[in-house]
Amino acid sequence: SQKIEQNSEALNIQEGKTATLTCNYTNYSPAYLQWYRQDPGRGPVFLLLIRENEKEKRKERLKVTFDTTLKQSLFHITASQPADSATYLCALGSGNTGKLIFGQGTTLQVKP
Amino acid sequence: GAVVSQHPSRVICKSGTSVKIECRSLDFQATTMFWYRQFPKQSLMLMATSNEGSKATYEQGVEKDKFLINHASLTLSTLTVTSAHPEDSSFYICSARAGIWGNQPQHFGDGTRLSIL
Repeated sequence: SQKIEQNSEALNIQEGKTATLTCNYTNYSPAYLQWYRQDPGRGPVFLLLIRENEKEKRKERLKVTFDTTLKQSLFHITASQPADSATYLCALGSGNTGKLIFGQGTTLQVKP
Repeated sequence: GAVVSQHPSRVICKSGTSVKIECRSLDFQATTMFWYRQFPKQSLMLMATSNEGSKATYEQGVEKDKFLINHASLTLSTLTVTSAHPEDSSFYICSARAGIWGNQPQHFGDGTRLSIL
């Protein structure tokens, strides 16, 4: 069955450093991958979308890569700030239904 | 833009009660809305896909008679948990998609924390 793995352990980094989060998947060939941010008790907020024919996407301090050979996406936050502390979810989709399969998320803690 | 409002944010009720949760897209029309369930420190589990004017498509293992979904307009979908029991206690989140293409982002409400006593 389809499986998405994100590092379940929290990632703790110092302010100003680059945070790198990993999303691995198996038994699936997604047409696109999305990253969301979720704060405690809130709904997820969309951050970035990357398609299967794209290697990299950037938006301000965020960068996403998508390697369909390795079946992996990396999500980078450069010059991290305490306000970046949250849980980050990757989600995979294909076809036109818009259905997404979510990973369990990785919690990022940026310390001042 | 792309704001989704979900109401109520929290419900505490007795076992056997039916609970209705509303999901509204405030500044866009949503042909498709999704309902998820999330347990603590776990991933969002898709329950059903709701298309305006048609019956919802439920995921495997989700009882459609237990979780009634109505998507009567392009801005409103409702989820009714019928005869709720303690095992139905969870965080329910809706999302809405603005366009027709599958890869477009979903915009989420802030969820409903349902606690059944």
